[in-house]
Amino acid sequence: GAGVSQSPRYKVAKRGQDVALRCDPISGHVSLFWYQQALGQGPEFLTYFQNEAQLDKSGLPSDRFFAERPEGSVSTLKIQRTQQEDSAVYLCASSPWGGAKTEAFFGQGTRLTVV
Amino acid sequence: DAKTTQPPSMDCAEGRAANLPCNHSTISGNEYVYWYRQIHSQGPQYIIHGLKNNETNEMASLIITEDRKSSTLILPHATLRDTAVYYCIVRGGIQGAQKLVFGQGTRLTINP
Repeated sequence: GAGVSQSPRYKVAKRGQDVALRCDPISGHVSLFWYQQALGQGPEFLTYFQNEAQLDKSGLPSDRFFAERPEGSVSTLKIQRTQQEDSAVYLCASSPWGGAKTEAFFGQGTRLTVV
Repeated sequence: DAKTTQPPSMDCAEGRAANLPCNHSTISGNEYVYWYRQIHSQGPQYIIHGLKNNETNEMASLIITEDRKSSTLILPHATLRDTAVYYCIVRGGIQGAQKLVFGQGTRLTINP
């Protein structure tokens, strides 16, 4: 596909379960971002990769959140022992290369509901 | 990253130009002004960005003041499909400091 693809689109997890959210960036894009968007709020930055290197993880809210991009393409955001406050839309974005002068393209997001 | 200030909501009549203001008085010389919008239940959509010159593309125009402390996004002929939350973002040019920092945005409603 031409755009950023995220799966699943919707995920319901019981409190305490582990979840894994997948992001397929646009082919060849170097930079990849994860964001969390709570209901009615703007997206909040979680973490940033340049190729396989995780250069910024300052937005990850706790050590229950872990992201990886082992081969510099597909990325997975893992949340361990989910809590109700983790309920949100998780957005992934990619851009062609590093630097702020090129736009980032977002996927449709994964809506996580923790019950 | 510099902060931005936007009005929380605006209305515009269909077919008219929608002018969305943004203040970014602490912007530094290597920071870009980006605009994204988010239609309900979708991911943010890139609109336009600029450094200091005015920019235009098929979606919108971006007017940046000479001192770069504010900017205006112009949708020249708004349609109902332009109803969305519009985010003005200042994004750093330093390698590794390129994350997009979203605020609350402006909820633009286009009225028939």
